Amino acid sequence: GAGVSQTPSNKVTEKGKYVELRCDPISGHTALYWYRQSLGQGPEFLIYFQGTGAADDSGLPNDRFFAVRPEGSVSTLKIQRTERGDSAVYLCASSLGTGGSETQYFGPGTRLLVL
Amino acid sequence: AQSVTQLGSHVSVSEGALVLLRCNYSSSVPPYLFWYVQYPNQGLQLLLKYTTGATLVKGINGFEAEFKKSETSFHLTKPSAHMSDAAEYFCAVSGSFSGGYNKLIFGAGTRLAVHP
Repeated sequence: GAGVSQTPSNKVTEKGKYVELRCDPISGHTALYWYRQSLGQGPEFLIYFQGTGAADDSGLPNDRFFAVRPEGSVSTLKIQRTERGDSAVYLCASSLGTGGSETQYFGPGTRLLVL
Repeated sequence: AQSVTQLGSHVSVSEGALVLLRCNYSSSVPPYLFWYVQYPNQGLQLLLKYTTGATLVKGINGFEAEFKKSETSFHLTKPSAHMSDAAEYFCAVSGSFSGGYNKLIFGAGTRLAVHP
């Protein structure tokens, strides 16, 4: 079946602009995760959804970052007043259920460049 | 806090040679442990994971890893490297004391190069 998809694959924006990044999880997966991967580093956790609600948003760096999953499927990561330091690859993952033994399946990522 | 250390940001081996990628974690309670591989312009793919039970875990593409509690390690090995193994490899952990088993904490990654 289809894997996790993310759109756009690349996004170039100017400092101060607003961006939205979309994630389509694997069908039937109840849990959805966002991570951010800066150049030369491993992914860093941002937020995790169980169904429609954000179960853990402790990784969001500040209040410019917000994510929603209104119908428990597709999720959108929203970044306001973008800064050059927000440039990174934003990864989305989904899993069938919750719990540490569940495998998280990752999408190809959205590469965000803030000029 | 829970953390993951991958020794060696770059590892180079000859085709057919042993692959050994090192991962150590800091935790007083054994976490769940994972190895992911990332090929260029692709998403992370799970190679293998340890949750409970047998400490030697076999994964895809001939890779395996052994959880050693006394050494807080989870090194990844493959007996014979293939050119197609060239990629970036990430070790990750999750645990209740890091804020939840659903939050993966990744190491910085090891880039594996395989030369003829």
